[in-house]
Amino acid sequence: DSGVTQTPKHLITATGQRVTLRCSPRSGDLSVYWYQQSLDQGLQFLIQYYNGEERAKGNILERFSAQQFPDLHSELNLSSLELGDSALYFCASSVGSTGSREAFFGQGTRLTVV
Amino acid sequence: DAKTTQPTSMDCAEGRAANLPCNHSTISGNEYVYWYRQIHSQGPQYIIHGLKNNETNEMASLIITEDRKSSTLILPHATLRDTAVYYCIVRVATSQGNLIFGKGTKLSVKP
Repeated sequence: DSGVTQTPKHLITATGQRVTLRCSPRSGDLSVYWYQQSLDQGLQFLIQYYNGEERAKGNILERFSAQQFPDLHSELNLSSLELGDSALYFCASSVGSTGSREAFFGQGTRLTVV
Repeated sequence: DAKTTQPTSMDCAEGRAANLPCNHSTISGNEYVYWYRQIHSQGPQYIIHGLKNNETNEMASLIITEDRKSSTLILPHATLRDTAVYYCIVRVATSQGNLIFGKGTKLSVKP
């Protein structure tokens, strides 16, 4: 158990819909990262928040957004969903904002868009 | 961050040591070597990291060559549960905190 909690574990929704994925980081970790893993792509970094502020952006689509709340949990919002958004979405957390420490991953949310 | 090269796949007999190589010939002096693994569709799991000295923890050992251009992750007694994709990642401590995953090595532990 990494200490990072993601909900829900599975999500099935229709094209055009909007969903919210939730992540609770390990106790004491201030950074939260979101990654996407689809069948034909590896693990792709989407976005990082550190102590409530956006810190780094990766290959995140404009239809996707995230935020980190004062209690440090984070939500990833995916809107106008397309079939190609079907993927595993992982959240990770780490103590700092840089690469100085290891990150720990949750078990992911499997999103299926039909 | 320096680029890494890993074999696409490897096999290992259960109970034997699994030695996973990683080439990072362009590594710079302030870059760490990290290893993660992903067991079938689960979240990636941190294994170990090091700068230049060999490191050991309860999961594995990391051997870094003296010139730091390559490293080997050693699982001393592989079990079937060690079947996974293993990722070698090189990064600077002061860089952005996100990880850049390559394709990794698919390790299959066989009975």
